[in-house]
Amino acid sequence: GQQLNQSPQSMFIQEGEDVSMNCTSSSIFNTWLWYKQDPGEGPVLLIALYKAGELTSNGRLTAQFGITRKDSFLNISASIPSDVGIYFCAGSAAGGTSYGKLTFGQGTILTVHP
Amino acid sequence: NAGVTQTPKFQVLKTGQSMTLQCAQDMNHNSMYWYRQDPGMGLRLIYYSASEGTTDKGEVPNGYNVSRLNKREFSLRLESAAPSQTSVYFCASSEALQWRPQHFGDGTRLSIL
Repeated sequence: GQQLNQSPQSMFIQEGEDVSMNCTSSSIFNTWLWYKQDPGEGPVLLIALYKAGELTSNGRLTAQFGITRKDSFLNISASIPSDVGIYFCAGSAAGGTSYGKLTFGQGTILTVHP
Repeated sequence: NAGVTQTPKFQVLKTGQSMTLQCAQDMNHNSMYWYRQDPGMGLRLIYYSASEGTTDKGEVPNGYNVSRLNKREFSLRLESAAPSQTSVYFCASSEALQWRPQHFGDGTRLSIL
């Protein structure tokens, strides 16, 4: 089956610092998504990427679809306390039996100290 | 606009009991999904329904059944609950199976004793 490795597993940063996290896949993906999950809630979509090399921003968040189609990156600039949560990458394979279905990374737990 | 609504939010069962988790979406989406979330493992797909009238197994379907009741509703049933099924269950929907991002409900926290 599909495998997605997300790193780092957790991050402890000071307010105002920039954050970077990434995901790598064992297979080629045609869609990369980044979600954030707050405690007690479901994941909420942050950024969707559909094309290799695509760079997309959503406020202080920027994500990129790797040119190999096997990786993606999420950056958060000037972090604030409400950025705390779990960030998940998710990808959809380009073909085979997993076509159209999402595979999720294990998540990055972000803690921001004021 | 409610989006994806899941009921109940919390449930405790005894081993061997049965239960149905309900999910409804009001976004006129064609595809719906059930996931389970366990610590350190992200979300894993249990079953999905690409469109009304179809259902297919995901990554971890054993011990579960689903029903796509209509375009809005997709239920997940545990026929004989086991402690290994203690988890947080999320329902999601999307416009179509491919290319479209999924929108999630707030989850059902299920404990099986």
